[in-house]
Amino acid sequence: GAVVSQHPSRVICKSGTSVKIECRSLDFQATTMFWYRQFPKQSLMLMATSNEGSKATYEQGVEKDKFLINHASLTLSTLTVTSAHPEDSSFYICSAQRGAGRLQEQYFGPGTRLTVT
Amino acid sequence: DAKTTQPTSMDCAEGRAANLPCNHSTISGNEYVYWYRQIHSQGPQYIIHGLKNNETNEMASLIITEDRKSSTLILPHATLRDTAVYYCIDFSGYQKVTFGIGTKLQVIP
Repeated sequence: GAVVSQHPSRVICKSGTSVKIECRSLDFQATTMFWYRQFPKQSLMLMATSNEGSKATYEQGVEKDKFLINHASLTLSTLTVTSAHPEDSSFYICSAQRGAGRLQEQYFGPGTRLTVT
Repeated sequence: DAKTTQPTSMDCAEGRAANLPCNHSTISGNEYVYWYRQIHSQGPQYIIHGLKNNETNEMASLIITEDRKSSTLILPHATLRDTAVYYCIDFSGYQKVTFGIGTKLQVIP
């Protein structure tokens, strides 16, 4: 199956700093990439949808100025958590869509564990 | 909010079949039933999907009732590595994916 990677797998940062998380589709070009957030013992919540070369679409309640998404190429999307605070500590998961419409063609990355101290 | 409902948790003895139910009370005609699982601290993994007919692949079998209001994911011979949270999702390709809480399956030695 297709492979999606995330880097880093885990990161610890101090409050007030910014953290960048990369999501790469390794063996296919992704028309769309998605960013999810998962708090402990909760389900995945969609944060934003990202299309290459255009601005991301954010879900209600997600601050676009705090969670900056750059989808510069068909294989790379980045999520930058700006001025991180302890409440931003979470598991961030990206997914990449190959083709259009079919959920089985949406491949998930392994996730990035962010801890803000 | 998720459109599907699942039991919060289930236990299954290793080597036995795990049957995970899901209710799709508001599923529409063009929506497929998808099943994913998430092993602790990993991203979701696709398992299987179907529209009306029962489906089987190397991972699992999917049974969908005739009215499509419920489905059952069957892991025929559960192993310890099948311990995970299992999500059922109604999806048509024209909306965002909504994950519910899922069923936490614990396979017991």
